[in-house]
Amino acid sequence: KQEVTQIPAALSVPEGENLVLNCSFTDSAIYNLQWFRQDPGKGLTSLLLIQSSQREQTSGRLNASLDKSSGRSTLYIAASQPGDSATYLCAVSAGAAGNKLTFGGGTRVLVKP
Amino acid sequence: ETGVTQSPTHLIKTRGQQVTLRCSSQSGHNTVSWYQQALGQGPQFIFQYYREEENGRGNFPPRFSGLQFPNYSSELNVNALELDDSALYLCASRVGGGAYTQYFGPGTRLTVL
Repeated sequence: KQEVTQIPAALSVPEGENLVLNCSFTDSAIYNLQWFRQDPGKGLTSLLLIQSSQREQTSGRLNASLDKSSGRSTLYIAASQPGDSATYLCAVSAGAAGNKLTFGGGTRVLVKP
Repeated sequence: ETGVTQSPTHLIKTRGQQVTLRCSSQSGHNTVSWYQQALGQGPQFIFQYYREEENGRGNFPPRFSGLQFPNYSSELNVNALELDDSALYLCASRVGGGAYTQYFGPGTRLTVL
């Protein structure tokens, strides 16, 4: 059974610092991995999707890496801003049919002005 | 803005009642999934529909059921509500298989008293 863990559960940084968010998964036989952002009481916004054959994806200030063999992914957010305050969730998909995403518990981020 | 809408936004029910939650996907998104997110946790996969057929189910009892319609809308029905069913219910849609990004709606907050 796939298990996804995100540590730490919460993180507070001053504005301008780089953010490093970690995600680990127990079964390396994944199809892809996604990072999402969730604002309080809201739905999920997809940030980056990494296929299992890829090592990283970049979008603006965001960069996500994937190491399937070690069961790890890292989301880097450069030069953090107060607007980056949210909960960040990673999720893995097990197969091409993408029958389900298995989510971690999330990391709650606070960027202080 | 993901183009996925859900209704209602909030709902309060009492234990034992039945509830229907609705989701409207983007045109062309023939795959829809439903997730349950308890407070402070990551979303848990309930089931997925592809072209109006259920093609994947998580660890949820049969009192959780769904429908998908040709007009890209779908429903989640929950019978015999229990207190533990209180959660944010999210639907997600995409085009085709697991290689594609899932787009989440804003969710329906269900409270069972």
